[in-house]
Amino acid sequence: GQNIDQPTEMTATEGAIVQINCTYQTSGFNGLFWYQQHAGEAPTFLSYNVLDGLEEKGRFSSFLSRSKGYSYLLLKELQMKDSASYLCAVTDPTDSWGKLQFGAGTQVVVTP
Amino acid sequence: DVKVTQSSRYLVKRTGEKVFLECVQDMDHENMFWYRQDPGLGLRLIYFSYDVKMKEKGDIPEGYSVSREKKERFSLILESASTNQTSMYLCASSLQAGDTQYFGPGTRLTVL
Repeated sequence: GQNIDQPTEMTATEGAIVQINCTYQTSGFNGLFWYQQHAGEAPTFLSYNVLDGLEEKGRFSSFLSRSKGYSYLLLKELQMKDSASYLCAVTDPTDSWGKLQFGAGTQVVVTP
Repeated sequence: DVKVTQSSRYLVKRTGEKVFLECVQDMDHENMFWYRQDPGLGLRLIYFSYDVKMKEKGDIPEGYSVSREKKERFSLILESASTNQTSMYLCASSLQAGDTQYFGPGTRLTVL
């Protein structure tokens, strides 16, 4: 099984940087997803990490350390529209169906 | 772009009613999923399907059943709705096991 932990809430000001951490304890590991979910809307895909290291996509970057069971999502130059919940999810190769296990999500509040 | 649609955004039902939630995807994806999302608990998998007429239980299948008669359509059925099934229900699809999942807009179900 999987145990996935992320902070419940983070607050930051417009233009700042916020780092959302995700730790996982798994029986196996294939890859890690980050999703963004605005209130009342569906989660939308942000990034997928399989190998160690940093992947940058515009203002958003995602980092993975497989040996430490750790990932973070970095949001730079925060904008008001970045206020949302950010979900971390992992896939387990011991699960033949490739199901995702989700963390509870981190609510990011961006203030003016 | 992948499009996943759900039959209703909001639904109000009474205890004991039979409830059908429909989900349709237009990208010929093999896998389809039903989740419920509750505050503080994150996304929890109810059922998923990896092919037409094939289904597997997720983490919380009790009180639910599913049907997949056509590849593009996956239905979630609450045989006898109860108040503890009040939740946000999200459908998702993916091309293959372990691939990125794409979500529908969600159905907020209230059972009175």
